[in-house]
Amino acid sequence: DTGVSQNPRHKITKRGQNVTFRCDPISEHNRLYWYRQTLGQGPEFLTYFQNEAQLEKSRLLSDRFSAERPKGSFSTLEIQRTEQGDSAMYLCASRTDRLETQYFGPGTRLLVL
Amino acid sequence: DQQVKQNSPSLSVQEGRISILNCDYTNSMFDYFLWYKKYPAEGPTFLISISSIKDKNEDGRFTVFLNKSAKHLSLHIVPSQPGDSAVYFCAATAWEDGNQFYFGTGTSLTVIP
Repeated sequence: DTGVSQNPRHKITKRGQNVTFRCDPISEHNRLYWYRQTLGQGPEFLTYFQNEAQLEKSRLLSDRFSAERPKGSFSTLEIQRTEQGDSAMYLCASRTDRLETQYFGPGTRLLVL
Repeated sequence: DQQVKQNSPSLSVQEGRISILNCDYTNSMFDYFLWYKKYPAEGPTFLISISSIKDKNEDGRFTVFLNKSAKHLSLHIVPSQPGDSAVYFCAATAWEDGNQFYFGTGTSLTVIP
């Protein structure tokens, strides 16, 4: 499978717990993006990596959110002390330098109770 | 500040007819535009894109038109098929911006058999 994969697909957690999501981009895609999507909205940019470097972060990304891409391949997004407002679909996308088309993974749906 | 807008939340079309989905943007620096299709519980799937140096791009049943002076783009699907029923997002980016992609809020298309 050469597409973007994300794990887990679903996560239910209690408020205050920490959660971590993983994204495996398409091989050799050096650019990786995280988005958040809530009901009735389009994907909202959270952060962006070029290889292992995190180059941009949205103001939506509070201090409770952290993302890493340690070896320039897979990436993790951690949310600490989750809040009910964090409930959303978290999407990962990747692309190459040459093409501006992003390819999305299936997303991780988070529900914070 | 919504830089990409899809003002029609929903659209219903008879099978075999043309579907026209519209998108407006406000940032004149945007120079690359994409359409994505999204089924429930899945990530967006890339459909078609267009660079600002063109005013039309066609791929099978899908054609995207770009009117830069009006800051408007549209996606035409001809003929529409029931399998086209999904939420469609338009997205835009600016080469100089490099990394941020801005999405509209989506239009839910229903193709009636």
